[in-house]
Amino acid sequence: DGGITQSPKYLFRKEGQNVTLSCEQNLNHDAMYWYRQDPGQGLRLIYYSQIVNDFQKGDIAEGYSVSREKKESFPLTVTSAQKNPTAFYLCASSIVEAGSQHFGDGTRLSIL
Amino acid sequence: GQQVMQIPQYQHVQEGEDFTTYCNSSTTLSNIQWYKQRPGGHPVFLIQLVKSGEVKKQKRLTFQFGEAKKNSSLHITATQTTDVGTYFCAGPPRNDYKLSFGAGTTVTVRA
Repeated sequence: DGGITQSPKYLFRKEGQNVTLSCEQNLNHDAMYWYRQDPGQGLRLIYYSQIVNDFQKGDIAEGYSVSREKKESFPLTVTSAQKNPTAFYLCASSIVEAGSQHFGDGTRLSIL
Repeated sequence: GQQVMQIPQYQHVQEGEDFTTYCNSSTTLSNIQWYKQRPGGHPVFLIQLVKSGEVKKQKRLTFQFGEAKKNSSLHITATQTTDVGTYFCAGPPRNDYKLSFGAGTTVTVRA
């Protein structure tokens, strides 16, 4: 059954620590995205990738980094430079740019 | 930059009643998409409208794309408890493909 798998479901970060959120898809989608969702707010785009080995900054990229070494995988690293990382992180993919997006179950990140 | 606004932010509905939520963009969109996020869940794609003035129906849900392709609406008739959740609109501006999401309309239903 095709879909997007995000792990872990819950993650706790210590001060000064980098953490990596996993996102894997078996939908054969070219485009992948990372969003951040805060309570009562919409989705804000962190990074996106149209093709392997290429990615672009979204609206709130500061304090985050990504890689796209494989079509199926688009991990997000929340670095220590991100001072307010507590949020719900959603990974998504689409067949084409501007097409409908398929979301993973999300990762809830909190600070210890 | 492009902004997508949704009103109202919260909609409290009596079961069986109808309601409408509205979406407005500061720029012309190439398409408008609607997603539903249940409490504790992730957004799920509902529908995409592409043409100016387009209207699509899904059972009790009616979606409309404005003539100027800058606004959209979602109308739900005979609201049920299964309609609870947050409804987001999202759209890419022309000559771009990144989706800009509205803040959503959170719907609660009184039985």
